[in-house]
Amino acid sequence: SQELEQSPQSLIVQEGKNLTINCTSSKTLYGLYWYKQKYGEGLIFLMMLQKGGEEKSHEKITAKLDEKKQQSSLHITASQPSHAGIYLCGADGNYGQNFVFGPGTRLSVLP
Amino acid sequence: DTEVTQTPKHLVMGMTNKKSLKCEQHMGHRAMYWYKQKAKKPPELMFVYSYEKLSINESVPSRFSPECPNSSLLNLHLHALQPEDSALYLCASSRDRGRGSNSPLHFGNGTRLTVT
Repeated sequence: SQELEQSPQSLIVQEGKNLTINCTSSKTLYGLYWYKQKYGEGLIFLMMLQKGGEEKSHEKITAKLDEKKQQSSLHITASQPSHAGIYLCGADGNYGQNFVFGPGTRLSVLP
Repeated sequence: DTEVTQTPKHLVMGMTNKKSLKCEQHMGHRAMYWYKQKAKKPPELMFVYSYEKLSINESVPSRFSPECPNSSLLNLHLHALQPEDSALYLCASSRDRGRGSNSPLHFGNGTRLTVT
């Protein structure tokens, strides 16, 4: 079955710093999704990546999918306290399997 | 604001109670999902409805009973739950499902369930 790993598990940064979160798959990704979750709330859809080498940006968040489609990175530029939360990557399962999530990366941004 | 609405936001119930969680979306999505999320863990899939038919049941105990009255509504009926069932229950919907669907899941804000 497809599994997703994320690194780091948690991250504490000073406001204004840049940071990167990684998501790695054991198999080729056919659709990679990034979500953000605030404690006790639902998941907010950030971006979807489909093609090898694809890169998308929304405000100060940029996500990339590598050429082999097995690794994605999420980069936040000039982080703000509002970026704090849990970032999860998710992917369509291969061979009809269900949508799977990575374990998440907990981000804290210190003012 | 999310386009997937879940009610109630919080629910406390005893082990002998019967309650229901409700979910509604008006995006025209044809797939709807129930997820269970424990603290510091990613969401775990419970059920998937595709075109109003139950297509995935991830070996969830029978004390959880899903219902999809129409394409916009999804219910989760609860009966004789255990304290370990306490969790955040998330509803999601997508335009379609499956590999190649390119349909992101849109989540509600969840129902925080406590079983006493």
